[in-house]
This record gives sequence, structure tokens and C-alpha cells, in this order.
Amino acid sequence: QVQLVQSGAEVKKPGASVKVSCQASGYTFDSYGVSWVRQAPGQGLQWLGWITPYNGDTHYAQDVQDRVIMTIDTSTSTAYMELRSLRSDDTAVYFCARDGRSNWIHANYFDFWGQGTLVTVSS
Amino acid sequence: DIQMTQSPSSLSASVGDRVTITCQASQDIRKCLNWYQQKPGKAPKLLIYDASNLETRVPSRFSGSGSGTHFTFTISGLQPEDIATYYCQQYDNVPPTFGQGTRLEIK
Repeated sequence: QVQLVQSGAEVKKPGASVKVSCQASGYTFDSYGVSWVRQAPGQGLQWLGWITPYNGDTHYAQDVQDRVIMTIDTSTSTAYMELRSLRSDDTAVYFCARDGRSNWIHANYFDFWGQGTLVTVSS
Repeated sequence: DIQMTQSPSSLSASVGDRVTITCQASQDIRKCLNWYQQKPGKAPKLLIYDASNLETRVPSRFSGSGSGTHFTFTISGLQPEDIATYYCQQYDNVPPTFGQGTRLEIK
């Protein structure tokens, strides 16, 4: 069965970086893009970006494009999201999510999600 | 970016009721519209994709319709386990964008 398992909670100081991992199993990793979505406490869902394992192409949200890097390790079927220069308003649960439609050129619908990783930014 | 406007932002209904949520896009998104259910402390769950397609193993009381800029999500016969927040999401243009959510409560 398809599973996305994320790394554990993080506490960071303002200005630091965080790197969250998302290990996939149960499907052909190379065929489906992965998006990262975050949710601040009590707020809605915000898409941060997308990466395709096929060739490493990425799309980033304008809000974070200067601070985020998404990468893929196909040897371990793992996607990574690194966010730099953290601020207090980056405090959120970060989710990875798999594209429902395979081999697409951008994010589409999200049929499987990781369990979420809480990132807390506090001095 | 395409703006997605959901209404209502919250809703109270009784078990067995028919519940309808709408989602309006700021421009034509064809049928590139999805619906998710999120329960507290959990990841969102895909219910409907491409406006009207029911995701595998999702109960048939959930349905979606619409195209262009106006979309509707319906629960036909509300169940206690349907208490959650529901989000629409478009993917016709990058970036994909979500509605602000509709919190559904039992009356």
C-alpha cells in the first residue's frame, strides 16, 4: 500500500534552517510528483512547492521561493524540503503529498499524504 | 494566483441532512477542482477529484459537480463521522490554491 512517512517534529530558532524528509513506499516513486503543503496553527492549507522524481523539476510558491529547496533521493524514494531563514510565521505542520495523476508536468490532485511534521520556530 | 472562495466558512447540520458547500474560482479552471476532508490533527483526505470523480473507497454520499468557475460539494445524508473541515483546491494553474475551508459541525 502507498505510504508517505515523514521525519519527526523540529524546534528551530529564527534564522535557522530545517530539512523535512518524506519517505515513500508502495508505488513507483519516479512516476509521481510530490508536493509540500503547510498548515499554520488554526489556519488553512498553503501549497509550498512541487518536485518530480522523473527529472528533478521543481515549482515553488512565490511566498517561499527565495528560501525553499526541494530535492529527491531516488535511491531511497525520499523527498526533502529545506526551508531557510526561518521566521516565527513559518511555525506550522508541514505535509508531503503525492500527485494523484502520474507523469504530469505540475501538481494536480493529492491522493496520499504524509502524517505531517510540526516545525516550531521560537527564540 | 487563482483565488478560491468557499462558502460558507462554517456550517451546522443534523445527522441525515443534505449539506452543500460551494467553491468559486476567480477565473475559469475547467474541471480542475478537488475536494478534501480534514479531521483535527490529521492530514487532509482526498474525496473528489476533477470536480466530480469520487476517490476510491470514499462513500457514495459524497459528491461534487461544476465546471468553469462555480463548483458544489454535497454530502447526502450527513453522518457523525463527517464532522471535519472541507477544502476545495484548484490545479488548472500553478500555483495550486486552496479555498479557506468550511468547518462542518453537528447540530
